[in-house]
Amino acid sequence: SQTIHQWPATLVQPVGSPLSLECTVEGTSNPNLYWYRQAAGRGLQLLFYSVGIGQISSEVPQNLSASRPQDRQFILSSKKLLLSDSGFYLCAWGGIGTHSNSPLHFGNGTRLTVT
Amino acid sequence: AQSVTQLGSHVSVSEGALVLLRCNYSSSVPPYLFWYVQYPNQGLQLLLKYTTGATLVKGINGFEAEFKKSETSFHLTKPSAHMSDAAEYFCAVSGTDKLIFGTGTRLQVFP
Repeated sequence: SQTIHQWPATLVQPVGSPLSLECTVEGTSNPNLYWYRQAAGRGLQLLFYSVGIGQISSEVPQNLSASRPQDRQFILSSKKLLLSDSGFYLCAWGGIGTHSNSPLHFGNGTRLTVT
Repeated sequence: AQSVTQLGSHVSVSEGALVLLRCNYSSSVPPYLFWYVQYPNQGLQLLLKYTTGATLVKGINGFEAEFKKSETSFHLTKPSAHMSDAAEYFCAVSGTDKLIFGTGTRLQVFP
């Protein structure tokens, strides 16, 4: 069966520090991978998605970046965190193909607090 | 382009009462529709999905949703609310290589 791992579960970082969140998927090949963010009082915001190794689509221009160095690994990064980067970050896989009927499968999320 | 609108950011019901969470969609192609639930500090969990075929879809935890093309709706219902149903619920429609989510509805259940 497929599983998705996301870490760390919680993170407290000072403003201006770097960020690296990692997500890995097991039990499937060539999945679409996604990073979402939930800020307090807001819904789900799609940040990045990837349909293959080295292929990254950015939905929102900001100081975050994403990389996919391996088929089942998706990394969210920042060189300098802002207070506004605080939120709950969710990684997901699935949705293979255009207009797919395949659901997304989510990790347990990372709670990031920038102080 | 696809979009989803969830009416009501907060819904409150008494335990044992009917739960109705509203979702309307817009899609230029036959839609694939999903409902997800999120408990505090957790990821999203799939409740149910509509792809093709039967318009009444049954999901986990006693939830169901009915696809109504004429109304472009996909409302989520449960006949009798339980305290454990308190969570945030998201409706989503399939887009190009991604799901388009609504803004979510927070369900409160009172004893």
